[in-house]
Amino acid sequence: ILNVEQSPQSLHVQEGDSTNFTCSFPSSNFYALHWYRWETAKSPEALFVMTLNGDEKKKGRISATLNTKEGYSYLYIKGSQPEDSATYLCAFQPNTGNQFYFGTGTSLTVIP
Amino acid sequence: KAGVTQTPRYLIKTRGQQVTLSCSPISGHRSVSWYQQTPGQGLQFLFEYFSETQRNKGNFPGRFSGRQFSNSRSEMNVSTLELGDSALYLCASSPGQGREQYFGPGTRLTVT
Repeated sequence: ILNVEQSPQSLHVQEGDSTNFTCSFPSSNFYALHWYRWETAKSPEALFVMTLNGDEKKKGRISATLNTKEGYSYLYIKGSQPEDSATYLCAFQPNTGNQFYFGTGTSLTVIP
Repeated sequence: KAGVTQTPRYLIKTRGQQVTLSCSPISGHRSVSWYQQTPGQGLQFLFEYFSETQRNKGNFPGRFSGRQFSNSRSEMNVSTLELGDSALYLCASSPGQGREQYFGPGTRLTVT
């Protein structure tokens, strides 16, 4: 069973704060690391697909980095806004197929 | 393009019954994956279908099965329902390996 861990489990920040989360995954058989945002009552929404060691991706105020050798990825949110409140999931995709192994997520609440 | 659709959205069944859930992927996507989410657990991978063939299977009992049709629509079946099968079942489609998966709204199954 592949173990994908995310920390912290939950986070409350003030509007305007910057924050970051961690995703740990197996460093072997790596194919891709995916980040998703899941808002209540909606479907998970893809943020980033990361495939190369050292990858850095950015979308607006959200960015992510990838270290496949040590098996971790960071997601950063700069200047958090209330609309950023959601659960952020990472998913490890091994090189054995198209199955994703998700972490349990980091629940972010941004307080206005 | 229309997104991933799942039917029904909500379902209540009794222990011992069986249930069939349906998923229509985004047009042109040939890969369909199914996930289960229970309270406190991350998304657990059930299985993935591509061109009517099951390519990958997660660690679930044989009571969980699925199939995919020639138009890429997929169904998931759970036989002899147990209380622990109460969960949100999500379907996701993908244009190919290494690409992001697009999730449907899910089917909330309650087993009483």
